[in-house]
Amino acid sequence: AQSVTQLGSHVSVSEGALVLLRCNYSSSVPPYLFWYVQYPNQGLQLLLKYTTGATLVKGINGFEAEFKKSETSFHLTKPSAHMSDAAEYFCAVSTPGGYNKLIFGAGTRLAVHP
Amino acid sequence: NAGVTQTPKFRVLKTGQSMTLLCAQDMNHEYMYWYRQDPGMGLRLIHYSVGEGTTAKGEVPDGYNVSRLKKQNFLLGLESAAPSQTSVYFCASSLRRDNQPQHFGDGTRLSIL
Repeated sequence: AQSVTQLGSHVSVSEGALVLLRCNYSSSVPPYLFWYVQYPNQGLQLLLKYTTGATLVKGINGFEAEFKKSETSFHLTKPSAHMSDAAEYFCAVSTPGGYNKLIFGAGTRLAVHP
Repeated sequence: NAGVTQTPKFRVLKTGQSMTLLCAQDMNHEYMYWYRQDPGMGLRLIHYSVGEGTTAKGEVPDGYNVSRLKKQNFLLGLESAAPSQTSVYFCASSLRRDNQPQHFGDGTRLSIL
C-alpha cells in the first residue's frame, strides 16, 4: 500500500527566503509523484509531477522538486518565496495501473511574511 | 472551457436528509473521482469511476453512493446525512493514461447539523 508523509503541517518563511516543503512516500512499486497547491476556497492545482526520467522536476511559479529513491523523498523547493506563494501544498502518490488514483499527504500550510 | 464544475458550492443539511452533489467535466476525461477534505487529513478518495456506467469504492466509501450515467457527469449521493459527513468535497477528472494529473473542481462545502 502507498502512503505519503508531509513533515510540518505549518511552515513560515520570510519573503525572499528559501522554501522547503518535505514529502516522504511509501510505495511497493515505482511511484508517480505529484505536488499540488490549494489557494483559499479553491480546488487543487498541479505544481509539478515526477513520472520517470530526470529526477529534478521543474514546475510552475518557480517551484521544483527532486525525486530521491534512496531516501523515498520528493521535497518541494523554491529559492525565493513570494507573498503570493502563501497557500496549502499537498504531496501525492499514484502507481502504474492504479487508474491515476491519488494518495495524499496531510498537507503543509505555507505562510510568507514580509 | 470550464474544466471541472461542481454544484452546489455550499449546502447546509439536517441529520438524516439526503442530497446529491453534481460534478461535470468538459475535457472528455474517462476517469473521475470524488474526494473529501478534512483538516489535517489531506484528501481522501470516496469513490471513483473509470468510465461511463462503472464505479468503484475508494478509501472512505461508507455512507455515500455514486453514479456515472454520462461520461461528463459524476454524481455523489448522501442518502442519510450524518454530522461526520461535514466536509469539503472535491471532484476531479483525468485522462485514461497512467501518470496523468487530476484536474479539480472548486469544491462543495457541506455542513450537516
